[in-house]
Amino acid sequence: KNQVEQSPQSLIILEGKNCTLQCNYTVSPFSNLRWYKQDTGRGPVSLTIMTFSENTKSNGRYTATLDADTKQSSLHITASQLSDSASYICVVPRVGGYQKVTFGTGTKLQVIP
Amino acid sequence: NAGVMQNPRHLVRRRGQEARLRCSPMKGHSHVYWYRQLPEEGLKFMVYLQKENIIDESGMPKERFSAEFPKEGPSILRIQQVVRGDSAAYFCASSEGQGENYEQYFGPGTRLTVT
Repeated sequence: KNQVEQSPQSLIILEGKNCTLQCNYTVSPFSNLRWYKQDTGRGPVSLTIMTFSENTKSNGRYTATLDADTKQSSLHITASQLSDSASYICVVPRVGGYQKVTFGTGTKLQVIP
Repeated sequence: NAGVMQNPRHLVRRRGQEARLRCSPMKGHSHVYWYRQLPEEGLKFMVYLQKENIIDESGMPKERFSAEFPKEGPSILRIQQVVRGDSAAYFCASSEGQGENYEQYFGPGTRLTVT
């Protein structure tokens, strides 16, 4: 069964600290893995797209890693800011399109002063 | 280049009324997806449309729900005879092409409340 599991479900960190979010998947065949940020009351915004051949990709203070062998990805946030408070969702669409893809609830991150 | 537009942002309907949700994709995008998000849950795929065609509606309830994406104008998600369980946030996304390698861009959503 194709699944995506994220951990932790929720996380509270102090402003300025780093954190790492995890995503394990069993979707096969694999095409790409995406990390989204969803602010409360807003639509998801794409942070990174990881393909099979990519191990690490950075987008500002966000760094995503991918281990295709173990089917694991992580999203590392450096020097967190209050505006990083949001849900972070890992999505692994099936080959063929976004149809039938369910976005999980992700990891709910709260950055406190 | 404006992003994906959705309107209204908030919609209140009484049980039994109709709800019409509109989505204008990004310029140059001819692929539109609708998702529903219940409180504290993830987005769930409802329907995928290209101009004038429904490609996949497997995630959409067969009764009371319909979607269209006409040649001209926005995509419309229509919910007839709404019930309280239809209360949710409805998100539209658009992409330039078909398939998982194309980026999806999401709109701000329409929050439907059924009283």
